[in-house]
Amino acid sequence: QVQLEQSGAEVKKPGSSVKVSCKASGGTFGGYGINWVRKAPGQGLEWMGGIIPIFGTAKSAQRFQGRVTFTADESAATAYMELSSLRSDDTAVYYCARTHTYYEYVSGTYHCTGLFDQWGQGTLVTVSS
Amino acid sequence: EIVMTQTPLSLSVTPGQPASISCKSSQSLPQNNGKTYLYWYLQRPGQSPQLLIYEVSSRFSGVPDRFSGSGSGTDFTLKISRVEAEDVGVYYCIQGLNLTFGPGTRVDIK
Repeated sequence: QVQLEQSGAEVKKPGSSVKVSCKASGGTFGGYGINWVRKAPGQGLEWMGGIIPIFGTAKSAQRFQGRVTFTADESAATAYMELSSLRSDDTAVYYCARTHTYYEYVSGTYHCTGLFDQWGQGTLVTVSS
Repeated sequence: EIVMTQTPLSLSVTPGQPASISCKSSQSLPQNNGKTYLYWYLQRPGQSPQLLIYEVSSRFSGVPDRFSGSGSGTDFTLKISRVEAEDVGVYYCIQGLNLTFGPGTRVDIK
């Protein structure tokens, strides 16, 4: 069974960037997507966006557009999330999750559903001066 | 953008008693290939979230049958028939159109 292993905790300065990795051990991404969800202290889960590695198509939540980049290296079965211009309120645990996709006939493209069946262990990113 | 609301935001339940969480969408969730993309997750303290229910009413592998989901359109419900101590945590609904989570419902044991 595929397990998602994330990179370790990070401490960053405001204004800098962070890149978190998510490796699928024991398998490949196949036709699944990888999405990223964060949990800030005292807040609920927040979807950030994700990528379907086999197609290289990525989508981000509106509030992160222009500040987040999703990439994937299929040969290494590893996905990445890079968040720039970090602020103190970006302090959170960041999770990757394997995501089921669906085919949209109208557009002829694949999209991620909200079915996140495997989750990484989470990566704590602390933004502090 | 679709906004998801949940009620109640907090729930304290006696073990063995039922619990119900409501999730409402600001827009009716359409079907795609006969499926409505509405999901329920539980995040236990100190753990990663886990999938409970997918496509409104299907239990994910390994999820006890005391969990059930129902609903359509804008109104969805997660029910726990008999709450157990291991059910403590925060429950979230999420719709699959623009992947918006509800605010979460914290469940604890009386």
